[in-house]
Amino acid sequence: EAQVTQNPRYLITVTGKKLTVTCSQNMNHEYMSWYRQDPGLGLRQIYYSMNVEVTDKGDVPEGYKVSRKEKRNFPLILESPSPNQTSLYFCASSLRVYFPYGYTFGSGTRLTVV
Amino acid sequence: AQTVTQSQPEMSVQEAETVTLSCTYDTSESDYYLFWYKQPPSRQMILVIRQEAYKQQNATENRFSVNFQKAAKSFSLKISDSQLGDAAMYFCAYRRGQGAQKLVFGQGTRLTINP
Repeated sequence: EAQVTQNPRYLITVTGKKLTVTCSQNMNHEYMSWYRQDPGLGLRQIYYSMNVEVTDKGDVPEGYKVSRKEKRNFPLILESPSPNQTSLYFCASSLRVYFPYGYTFGSGTRLTVV
Repeated sequence: AQTVTQSQPEMSVQEAETVTLSCTYDTSESDYYLFWYKQPPSRQMILVIRQEAYKQQNATENRFSVNFQKAAKSFSLKISDSQLGDAAMYFCAYRRGQGAQKLVFGQGTRLTINP
């Protein structure tokens, strides 16, 4: 089944403890991206990747890191999480960045930082 | 920068009735795409319908249709014969044509279906 797989689905952590949210797609998509969803703000882009080893900042990149060493994987790293990073996170992918169709989204990761 | 505005945080409709969700956007581009996504309680983001800006004809997908007013920069979603399974958060989204690196989302509208 073609899909974007995110893990974990839920995560509660403490301030300052490094964590990684994994994202993997099995559709050979070139483009991958991370979004965070907050009430009243919709979804905002954190980082994106146009292909392997090519990443760039989105609208809200502060406090996050990403890497794209393989085409299928695009992990989101929080080196020192803070409570304002409590949010719902989505990974998304698309065949190409200019592909005219919408993205395929993962099922989301609910992160709580206490 | 492009912005997308959904002015209705919440909407409700009786089952089997018709409801329209509003969306406006701001852009200086002529080549772009517009989308409506549905997010049920499962959190999954599901593409409902898409519209290419160069197409004058409004997109339809079964009970879902859009009213695309390019000059007014308006992109509303009409749901006919509402069903309980339509209850969800709905997001309007914009994507520039060439050179686009992201979807720009509205704030979302929570739709409740009353039985």
